[in-house]
Parts: sequence; structure tokens; C-alpha cells
Amino acid sequence: QLQLQESGPGLVKPSETLSLTCTVSGGSISSSSYYWGWIRQPPGKGLEWIGSIYYSGSTYDNPSLKSRVTISVDTSKNQFSLKLSSVTAADTAVYYCARHCDIAVAAYNWFDPWGQGTLVTVSS
Amino acid sequence: EIVLTQSPGTLSLSPGERATLSCRASQSVSSSYLTWYQQKPGQAPRLLIYGASSRATGIPDRFSGSGSGTDFTLTISRLEPEDFAVYYCQQYGSSPQYTFGQGTKLEIK
Repeated sequence: QLQLQESGPGLVKPSETLSLTCTVSGGSISSSSYYWGWIRQPPGKGLEWIGSIYYSGSTYDNPSLKSRVTISVDTSKNQFSLKLSSVTAADTAVYYCARHCDIAVAAYNWFDPWGQGTLVTVSS
Repeated sequence: EIVLTQSPGTLSLSPGERATLSCRASQSVSSSYLTWYQQKPGQAPRLLIYGASSRATGIPDRFSGSGSGTDFTLTISRLEPEDFAVYYCQQYGSSPQYTFGQGTKLEIK
């Protein structure tokens, strides 16, 4: 059964860079059928897609995050990572990673399964 | 950017009743790219419906999706106690861009 687990600091200072890693188990991140995505959810609010990456390293991200996003993949470790630069309090959220059935490689669009999520708070 | 608007914001129903949740897009969305999720408190979202009407693996058949163009619906035929949660629709638009609706909270009446 495929499982994803987010890891990283729970507290980041304003203007610094948020860094998270997602470890995939029970399956290979090098599958040609899927992308791997990051989604976040501010406390008490809705969901926002951050970006997605293919095992080859091809990425794309949400234009609303104004080029602050870097997503990378390490196939040898079955992991992918997120860096979000110049964070502010507005970036405080639960960050989820998920397998992404992307329209670039499939006929549909969905995120499944999701990791349990990790709360990142931006505060000095 | 395509905006998804879900209604109602909160739906109060009793177990055994039928729930109808709406998701309206600001522009036409391909049915193949319209997805529904369920989220319970403290949990990650769970995939329910993809392609507007296809149930994900393990999803009970009381859940069904329908719609096309700009209007999509999630229907739960007979509510079970475990169905009370927040439901989100999600779509793919150009850019590329994936966006979610703001959610409908289904609560016990």
C-alpha cells in the first residue's frame, strides 16, 4: 500500500525558507504514470495546490506563489522535496504531499493518497 | 484562473437523508478533470470521485458524482454517520493550474 510521509521543521522565521521532504513507501516514485504534488491548507481554511514534480525532474507550480517555490526529487531515496522562500505568516499552514495523477500523463486529475500533513508555522 | 464555488457553505442533514452538494466553475471545465474529496477533522483529504462521476477505489456506491460544463454535483444517497465531513471539489485549468473549491461542510442536524 502506497504511503507518503512529510517531514521538516514545524517552525520557520519570517523571510526564511521553508523546507519539507516527502518520503514515499510501498511504491516507486519513478513510476511513469504519476506526478508527485504538494498541497497546503491554512488553519481553518481550504486547500491550495503548490506544485508538482515528475520523477524526471519536470516541475510546475502555482503562479500565485510568485516563483517562491522549488520542488525537487531524489529517486534514489524515493523522496521529493519542497522549498518555499521568503515566507510570511500567510504561509502558515498544514502542508501535504500526495501522489498526483496529472493530465500530462493520464486522462484524469486527482491527488491520492495523501500524507498525514505537517503543520508549519511562520513566526519569529 | 478558473474559480470553483461550492454551495451551500454548510449543509445540515440527518443520517439516512440524501445530500446534494454543488460545485460551480467560473468557466467550463472538462468533466475528466473534475474531482471530489472528503476531509474529516484532523485528517488529510480522501479521494472520492474523479472524472466527475467515477468512484475511487473503496468508495461506497452511496456516493455519486454528476455534471458537466460549469455545474457539478456530489450526491450522497443515504447519509451514514461517518459521512459528516467537509467536501471539496477540485479541477484542472490552464496555466497549468489546479484549484479547489472553498468546501462544503456537511454537519449532523
